[in-house]
Amino acid sequence: GAGVSQSPSNKVTEKGKDVELRCDPISGHTALYWYRQSLGQGLEFLIYFQGNSAPDKSGLPSDRFSAERTGGSVSTLTIQRTQQEDSAVYLCASSFYVRVKEGTGELFFGEGSRLTVL
Amino acid sequence: GESVGLHLPTLSVQEGDNSIINCAYSNSASDYFIWYKQESGKGPQFIIDIRSNMDKRQGQRVTVLLNKTVKHLSLQIAATQPGDSAVYFCAENPMNSGYSTLTFGKGTMLLVSP
Repeated sequence: GAGVSQSPSNKVTEKGKDVELRCDPISGHTALYWYRQSLGQGLEFLIYFQGNSAPDKSGLPSDRFSAERTGGSVSTLTIQRTQQEDSAVYLCASSFYVRVKEGTGELFFGEGSRLTVL
Repeated sequence: GESVGLHLPTLSVQEGDNSIINCAYSNSASDYFIWYKQESGKGPQFIIDIRSNMDKRQGQRVTVLLNKTVKHLSLQIAATQPGDSAVYFCAENPMNSGYSTLTFGKGTMLLVSP
């Protein structure tokens, strides 16, 4: 597609359930990011995928969070045993890796998946 | 730790006024900065960027100013319109990270009244 696509757009779940959030990046983008945005807050980095390199997982808040990227394209963020504090908008972004060498770090964001944990 | 932050959480202006949104950064290794605009219910959208070898860059109705001496970044919006109402984030890219990772500030909400 023309932009980054995320699904579901909204997810309501019960505490303790597992959830999966999906991201389809822009075709040809080698870098993919997950950010979390809590109400009225900035963007919190979660994880970064770049080509075939090992992902940067330094932002994952706990071992309940994991993400994978299959075939260098689609990514899934999984949250196990969800807690109420996991409620947030989860944003996915992609970018051209080669542009970082030129200092252009523009990320293209999806519209996010709003997660509500009851 | 080092961080990116904003001086004003909310800025209210009248339509047609010029708006100035400020941002302070503390990571001396950052040499690339971006402003993003986030409208309600949407993901952030790129507005303009600036590299540390510049102190000013202009786009369409927007200007970004960088003062490396005091580690300050600002976004100026000329002739602000109701459609400019959004949350604006500054972000820094520490180039020594080797990646195109961005560290975002908390954002400033711009409210434009007709």
